[in-house]
Amino acid sequence: DTAVSQTPKYLVTQMGNDKSIKCEQNLGHDTMYWYKQDSKKFLKIMFSYNNKELIINETVPNRFSPKSPDKAHLNLHINSLELGDSAVYFCASSQDGRGVSYEQYFGPGTRLTVT
Amino acid sequence: RKEVEQDPGPFNVPEGATVAFNCTYSNSASQSFFWYRQDCRKEPKLLMSVYSSGNEDGRFTAQLNRASQYISLLIRDSKLSDSATYLCAVFSGLDSSYKLIFGSGTRLLVRP
Repeated sequence: DTAVSQTPKYLVTQMGNDKSIKCEQNLGHDTMYWYKQDSKKFLKIMFSYNNKELIINETVPNRFSPKSPDKAHLNLHINSLELGDSAVYFCASSQDGRGVSYEQYFGPGTRLTVT
Repeated sequence: RKEVEQDPGPFNVPEGATVAFNCTYSNSASQSFFWYRQDCRKEPKLLMSVYSSGNEDGRFTAQLNRASQYISLLIRDSKLSDSATYLCAVFSGLDSSYKLIFGSGTRLLVRP
C-alpha cells in the first residue's frame, strides 16, 4: 500500500497553461504539505494544511493555489505556468504540524516540465 | 546565511569506510532535527530523527550539538547501497508557522 501518492508522476506542458497535481495519503495524518525541489535540489516548503485548514503559506506566487477537500487529500493547482515553475513537486504528510514536530513522509514526486 | 547549511560534497569513499556529515542551523530555537536520504530521482525518505542524547540505528549514528548548533550523521562500514544524497532537516518557526527547513544535501558516493 502506498502511504503518500501523487498523480501525475510526470507532467510536461507549455507556458501559460493551467495544471493540477493531486496528492492522497492513507496514513491517517492530520497535516499535509507541498514542497518544491528545484534544479539545484533545494527542497523548500510551499504550503501546509492541517485538517483542511491552511497553516503555512510561504512566499509563493498566487498562481499556485492549494486545495484540501478533506484531510487525506491535498491538491495543487497552478495557473499560467512559467518556465521557472519547472521542478519536482513533493507532497508530504505528518501526524501533526502545528508547532509540534512529527516525522514527515513524502510522496514520489511530480516532475513538472514547462516548455 | 542560510538557515540550514550542509557541505554539498560529493564525499567519495571506499566500501567499508566510515564517513561523517555535519549540518549547521542558524535558529537556536529550533526544536527537532532529522536526517533524510534521497536517491536520484526519488523522494526523500526519513533516515532517522536526531535526539539530544544522540541515537544509533545499526551503522548510522546521529548527534545533536545545541551549543554549536549542528547535527551530525556518522555512517560506519559504508555499503555501495549507501550512495545517495543525505538531507538534514530542522523543525523551527514561530507561533503557528513551524516548518521543516531542509539543507541542500550532501552527496555520498561509495565505491567498490
